[in-house]
Amino acid sequence: AQSVTQPDIHITVSEGASLELRCNYSYGATPYLFWYVQSPGQGLQLLLKYFSGDTLVQGIKGFEAEFKRSQSSFNLRKPSVHWSDAAEYFCAVGGNAGGTSYGKLTFGQGTILTVHP
Amino acid sequence: AAGVIQSPRHLIKEKRETATLKCYPIPRHDTVYWYQQGPGQDPQFLISFYEKMQSDKGSIPDRFSAQQFSDYHSELNMSSLELGDSALYFCASSTTTGPAEQYFGPGTRLTVT
Repeated sequence: AQSVTQPDIHITVSEGASLELRCNYSYGATPYLFWYVQSPGQGLQLLLKYFSGDTLVQGIKGFEAEFKRSQSSFNLRKPSVHWSDAAEYFCAVGGNAGGTSYGKLTFGQGTILTVHP
Repeated sequence: AAGVIQSPRHLIKEKRETATLKCYPIPRHDTVYWYQQGPGQDPQFLISFYEKMQSDKGSIPDRFSAQQFSDYHSELNMSSLELGDSALYFCASSTTTGPAEQYFGPGTRLTVT
C-alpha cells in the first residue's frame, strides 16, 4: 500500500529564511510525487510535481523539490520565505502499483508553516 | 483560466438526511476524483471516474454513491448522513488517468447537525 509521511506537523520560520519541508513515501512502483499548498478553508493548489527525468523540479512561487529514490524522499525547499507562504503543505504520491488507475492520490498528514515577520 | 467548480460551497444537513454535491471539471478534463478531508486531517480518496465509468474506489461508505455524466460533471450523493460525515469534500479533475496532475476545486463544506 502506498503511504506518505511528513515528519514535521508544524514549522515556524522567519521571513526571509530558507525552508525545507520533509516528505517520505512508500510505494511499490515508480511513484508520481506532488506538493500541494492549502490556505485555511481553501482548496489545494499544486506547487510542483515529479513524474520522471530530472530529480530536481521547479514549481510555482519559487518552490523546488528534489526526488531521492535511495531515501524515498521528496523534500520541498524555498530559499527565502515570504509571509504569504504561511499555509499548510501536503505531499502526495500517486501512480499505478497494480491498480486500475494512476489517479488516486495518497496524502501525507500535512505540515503547517508559520512565518514570523 | 477556468478552474474546477463545486457547488454548493457550504451545506448544512441534519442526521439521516441526504445531500448531493456537484463538481464541474476543467473543460476538456475527462477524469474526476472525489476526496474527503475531515477537520485537521489530510484528504482521503473516495472515488474516481474516467469517461463516465468508475475507475477507482477508495474508502467510500456504502451510503455514498457517485456518477459522472455525459458532460463530464460529477455528483456525489450521500444518504443517511451521520455526524462523522461533516468534512470538506473536494473534487479534482485531470486530463487522463495516466500520470497527470490533478487540479482541485474549492471544496464543499458539509456540516451535519
